[in-house]
Amino acid sequence: GEDVEQSLFLSVREGDSSVINCTYTDSSSTYLYWYKQEPGAGLQLLTYIFSNMDMKQDQRLTVLLNKKDKHLSLRIADTQTGDSAIYFCAESIPNDYKLSFGAGTTVTVRA
Amino acid sequence: DTEVTQTPKHLVMGMTNKKSLKCEQHMGHRAMYWYKQKAKKPPELMFVYSYEKLSINESVPSRFSPECPNSSLLNLHLHALQPEDSALYLCASSQVEYPGANVLTFGAGSRLTVL
Repeated sequence: GEDVEQSLFLSVREGDSSVINCTYTDSSSTYLYWYKQEPGAGLQLLTYIFSNMDMKQDQRLTVLLNKKDKHLSLRIADTQTGDSAIYFCAESIPNDYKLSFGAGTTVTVRA
Repeated sequence: DTEVTQTPKHLVMGMTNKKSLKCEQHMGHRAMYWYKQKAKKPPELMFVYSYEKLSINESVPSRFSPECPNSSLLNLHLHALQPEDSALYLCASSQVEYPGANVLTFGAGSRLTVL
């Protein structure tokens, strides 16, 4: 996980927007991913973005990619209590089955 | 069917036991993975199978033995494990079987406790 970095914790009020940030080091990344993990569960793919895109929107989720700065963010609009989870940023590189995961950001939604 | 199913959900075993974890998917994915995840940590890749052949072994100790009997099934055989092997074991599969475009579908995991 040292190639992908995330802040560890985020607390947000219900109804506000959440923004989770991630930085990566490998400029040859092909895809960048956001996975969500709820307590006691496996990882759920939320969204992913191809490295030649700047933005991707999917309902409440907006992914922004700044390839020059190697910065990825996930914005969750109208955050709900069900959004409380650990969010992992990950990258893949050409010709490699491995995903490099960040350490995960624990998002806590408070009423 | 868009799921990866893992059994058992929980497993407790002694250090001398032999047990197996099972994983099944019917999405036609031809790459399947085993990951190990410790509490509050990201998953760590253990093995990758591509077209039922072992492609990657991330220097995993031989007390973990993977097996891919067919394109839908993936097993992880466990023998003589140590307490530090206690973790959540996640299976995953991907539709795109060439590396670099790994949109993985994960199972819910098997939580292993070694006494």
